[in-house]
Amino acid sequence: KQEVTQIPAALSVPEGENLVLNCSFTDSAIYNLQWFRQDPGKGLTSLLLIQSSQREQTSGRLNASLDKSSGRSTLYIAASQPGDSATYLCAVIDGGSQGNLIFGKGTKLSVKP
Amino acid sequence: DAGITQSPRHKVTETGTPVTLRCHQTENHRYMYWYRQDPGHGLRLIHYSYGVKDTDKGEVSDGYSVSRSKTEDFLLTLESATSSQTSVYFCAISDWNSPLHFGNGTRLTVT
Repeated sequence: KQEVTQIPAALSVPEGENLVLNCSFTDSAIYNLQWFRQDPGKGLTSLLLIQSSQREQTSGRLNASLDKSSGRSTLYIAASQPGDSATYLCAVIDGGSQGNLIFGKGTKLSVKP
Repeated sequence: DAGITQSPRHKVTETGTPVTLRCHQTENHRYMYWYRQDPGHGLRLIHYSYGVKDTDKGEVSDGYSVSRSKTEDFLLTLESATSSQTSVYFCAISDWNSPLHFGNGTRLTVT
């Protein structure tokens, strides 16, 4: 059974710092990996999707990498801002799930001014 | 929000009553999902649909049923609500191997 883990569960950094969020998964047979952002009381917003054949994706100050063989992904946020404060979740679709995403429990990020 | 509407946004109901939550999309996406989100458990899949009248169970399907009679609508029914079903419910849509888009959620309280 696929399991997704995110470490740390919470992170507090000063504004301007570059930071890395980690995601690991137990079964490397995935179709894709997605990173989401969730603000308090809101739904999830898709940030980046990495196909299983890709190594990384970039959008603005965000860069996500994928290493299937080691079962790891990282989300790099450059020059963090207070507006980046949110919970970040990663999720994978694996070979046996017919399109179902399996989520980690998220990393709660706080960027202090 | 990617053309997804959940209704109602908030609901309070009593134990033992039936409850139906609605998800409506305007994107013509094939896949639709119902998740619940609870502190300490994260997001867990209840049911999903991969086409009209094609549905399957997720990780926490006991006590829930779904129906999808049209591409755009996916209904989640609690036949007899229990306090353990107090949660925030999210609908999501996607096409195969494309990003998931979420609705804004329904906060359900069962008293």
